[in-house]
Amino acid sequence: DQQVKQNSPSLSVQEGRISILNCDYTNSMFDYFLWYKKYPAEGPTFLISISSIKDKNEDGRFTVFLNKSAKHLSLHIVPSQPGDSAVYFCAARTYGGSQGNLIFGKGTKLSVKP
Amino acid sequence: EAQVTQNPRYLITVTGKKLTVTCSQNMNHEYMSWYRQDPGLGLRQIYYSMNVEVTDKGDVPEGYKVSRKEKRNFPLILESPSPNQTSLYFCASGGQGAGETQYFGPGTRLLVL
Repeated sequence: DQQVKQNSPSLSVQEGRISILNCDYTNSMFDYFLWYKKYPAEGPTFLISISSIKDKNEDGRFTVFLNKSAKHLSLHIVPSQPGDSAVYFCAARTYGGSQGNLIFGKGTKLSVKP
Repeated sequence: EAQVTQNPRYLITVTGKKLTVTCSQNMNHEYMSWYRQDPGLGLRQIYYSMNVEVTDKGDVPEGYKVSRKEKRNFPLILESPSPNQTSLYFCASGGQGAGETQYFGPGTRLLVL
């Protein structure tokens, strides 16, 4: 049973527009969420995180929104750039929990077209 | 430079021939982990280690072994590889603080014939 779900395998966006990547989770014990970005032939790299005490966290062009009641989070990229084309993984765990309990979604492949 | 290194990066082998993929980190992280990435399945955890001599199974441990004799190294061992272990493997490490993230290696692409 998938605890972290990314229901869109792919997303295509025009350069300069907003990219919205979605993630749903089922485990109500999760209270720390992360997004990782992965380019081909490289390992995933950490992008941004949010704990459940917040509903929004912003870092430059990247903003993560958390809706705890809906068990839903989203990553907004504004404006999207061709260099943002990558696979994005959502991950979740309990904030005080061990790294061993980090659960990943299946990923969404973002393509930003010039 | 802080990094996680994996070797080899690419490997072609045959069924049943034991192999080891090495992983090393220079960040003094307590936590290390192995994942495999397969199309449509995302990242699935194989084994993880909370510290030296402490290892535990992840979601897909069958057919794999690990050891953590030193803090910086966490090798993945396939005693008798099979074609269903053809995959892209990632090693990761991280601190144990509440807000810590994981740092991933560049990946090892394995083909078992």
